[in-house]
Amino acid sequence: NAGVMQNPRHLVRRRGQEARLRCSPMKGHSHVYWYRQLPEEGLKFMVYLQKENIIDESGMPKERFSAEFPKEGPSILRIQQVVRGDSAAYFCASSAGYSEQFFGPGTRLTVL
Amino acid sequence: GENVEQHPSTLSVQEGDSAVIKCTYSDSASNYFPWYKQELGKRPQLIIDIRSNVGEKKDQRIAVTLNKTAKHFSLHITETQPEDSAVYFCAASRVGNQFYFGTGTSLTVIP
Repeated sequence: NAGVMQNPRHLVRRRGQEARLRCSPMKGHSHVYWYRQLPEEGLKFMVYLQKENIIDESGMPKERFSAEFPKEGPSILRIQQVVRGDSAAYFCASSAGYSEQFFGPGTRLTVL
Repeated sequence: GENVEQHPSTLSVQEGDSAVIKCTYSDSASNYFPWYKQELGKRPQLIIDIRSNVGEKKDQRIAVTLNKTAKHFSLHITETQPEDSAVYFCAASRVGNQFYFGTGTSLTVIP
């Protein structure tokens, strides 16, 4: 009974490179949420997706960031042309849509 | 959008004492209020939640109260233990939608 899976757990990128973060929700969950946590700060909502649909992306920067949750496979958060300010822990959570959200272990992104 | 404020930002208590963390929210349509505990370097984990049709909920040493009129809710931990030391986040949402988190409370339980 696997929980929410994220990979990679740690990702190092140089400025200008692309970062791809993956999230596999819990079995039976079709709702995925991405949050960003800056060092010693709280969790900020980025984007909410259901299979093949973006429900709410109001927390995601308009430029360089995109997210998808295809019919098959994990949800992907993509950051193009990364900058130092993108360094953070990125958590995804999944739910069945009417209940609690379960968080993955996070991907810690470091931009050099 | 929703705005959640959380106080205090840091809290130190002696082992065995109680700890109280308070949150306020702005969106009267919010109807689900979870509390998460996050240990250093780990994922947030749900410890208790409450829905807007309930005023209080208790689970062993942890309780949450909700005042919909005043738009505030609180976490109460009794008989604190060193393993309760962590960062606690409150959140508000409409059921099924994204969470809006408070800024966190770093709780230290002194043995």
